[in-house]
Amino acid sequence: QSALTQPASVSGSPGQSITISCTGTSSDVGGYNSVSWYQQHPGKAPKLMIYEVSNRPSGVSNRFSGSKSGNTASLTISGLQAEDEADYYCSSYTGISTWVFGGGTKLTVL
Amino acid sequence: QVQLQESGPGLVEPSETLSLSCTVSGGSISGYYWTWIRQPPGKGLEWIGHIYDTGTTKYNPSLKSRVTISLDTSKNQFSLKLSSVTTADTAVYYCTRHTVGQGSHYWGQGTLVTVSS
Repeated sequence: QSALTQPASVSGSPGQSITISCTGTSSDVGGYNSVSWYQQHPGKAPKLMIYEVSNRPSGVSNRFSGSKSGNTASLTISGLQAEDEADYYCSSYTGISTWVFGGGTKLTVL
Repeated sequence: QVQLQESGPGLVEPSETLSLSCTVSGGSISGYYWTWIRQPPGKGLEWIGHIYDTGTTKYNPSLKSRVTISLDTSKNQFSLKLSSVTTADTAVYYCTRHTVGQGSHYWGQGTLVTVSS
């Protein structure tokens, strides 16, 4: 299974919105609504931010939203805050009943 | 509150077997996928595999020949064995509780395993 494709880095100013893409194939992202997004701060364990494409776990800010079109999923963060600076990873269920991650995107808040 | 804690040697010699355990507290073993994920230093996340409460396992195809995940419900623990390790297996290893179809809501703090002689 090949890793999902994410941009290596994105940036934005406080208050702005950014979107991180996650591209797979019809055998993973495009074939299932089991796409999730994780936030990871340096030295910390990842934190689940979005599951099933667009659902937020309890306690996650509504500034975080997810969507999917075809083989590409997206994470949008609105009203950027300094604390959002972190690495973000997408993950998808696959047709062989495994899970695969994206390569990760480093978000810089300018 | 659900908590997971990894334990095991921090240093493993090349060609040996890496063995880690994850102890689960604050919740039941039933109804979840118990998962191992790793992250080489400075790199991204890699899904290793999972075990369901029935004992059914699934592994990353790239690691399948070397990985075994097992579950001990009496101890509320699950374990990872990775055989014939090389320096490429040096990573922080995380154990997680994965809700079916969703994702890993709960993670251990991670444990660094270095493969070196």
